[in-house]
Amino acid sequence: DAGVTQSPTHLIKTRGQHVTLRCSPISGHKSVSWYQQVLGQGPQFIFQYYEKEERGRGNFPDRFSARQFPNYSSELNVNALLLGDSALYLCASSFIAGGGQPQHFGDGTRLSIL
Amino acid sequence: TQLLEQSPQFLSIQEGENLTVYCNSSSVFSSLQWYRQEPGEGPVLLVTVVTGGEVKKLKRLTFQFGDARKDSSLHITAAQPGDTGLYLCAGAGTASKLTFGTGTRLQVTL
Repeated sequence: DAGVTQSPTHLIKTRGQHVTLRCSPISGHKSVSWYQQVLGQGPQFIFQYYEKEERGRGNFPDRFSARQFPNYSSELNVNALLLGDSALYLCASSFIAGGGQPQHFGDGTRLSIL
Repeated sequence: TQLLEQSPQFLSIQEGENLTVYCNSSSVFSSLQWYRQEPGEGPVLLVTVVTGGEVKKLKRLTFQFGDARKDSSLHITAAQPGDTGLYLCAGAGTASKLTFGTGTRLQVTL
């Protein structure tokens, strides 16, 4: 079975631009979470979605938004990119929502801001 | 704000040595997960511990959840080069949030 897939794998943007990252969960998983991982640190929680509804939000500015589609795939949008947004963005899926659920991660999108 | 501190940050050992990684917090977690992440890949779940005092073994890896559910440890016996990677603990607290630790980078050399 296919794991969590994310696209693109790498992306280079300049300050002020907008970016959309995509995630397809494992088949049968209805919850998707997004994390930001800065080099040398652990992932930080951004959003969790379940059945197309936002179930949790981390401490990130309103420039970050996300949505989940009827097929349970998800998009993460970041507006007005800053140099500090450079990071690995990870998507994780789980069968149901909840922080205690085992998270299955994709290999991430490496975003570089110039 | 729930924080998880891991120690040590970096660990370089030789094959066959034993090691312990610690994950500490002042907050109580309903459960705690351990992940391993290799370069260019996402974290992979190793184990989930739920009950205070719980001990789980996965081959040469032993995981323990503290009695008060605020801390955890990972012990590796006879480390092998294949154990190299970034070890992350992650605590489940309020609602849907999973809080990750600061990470321990382990390198095992021949």
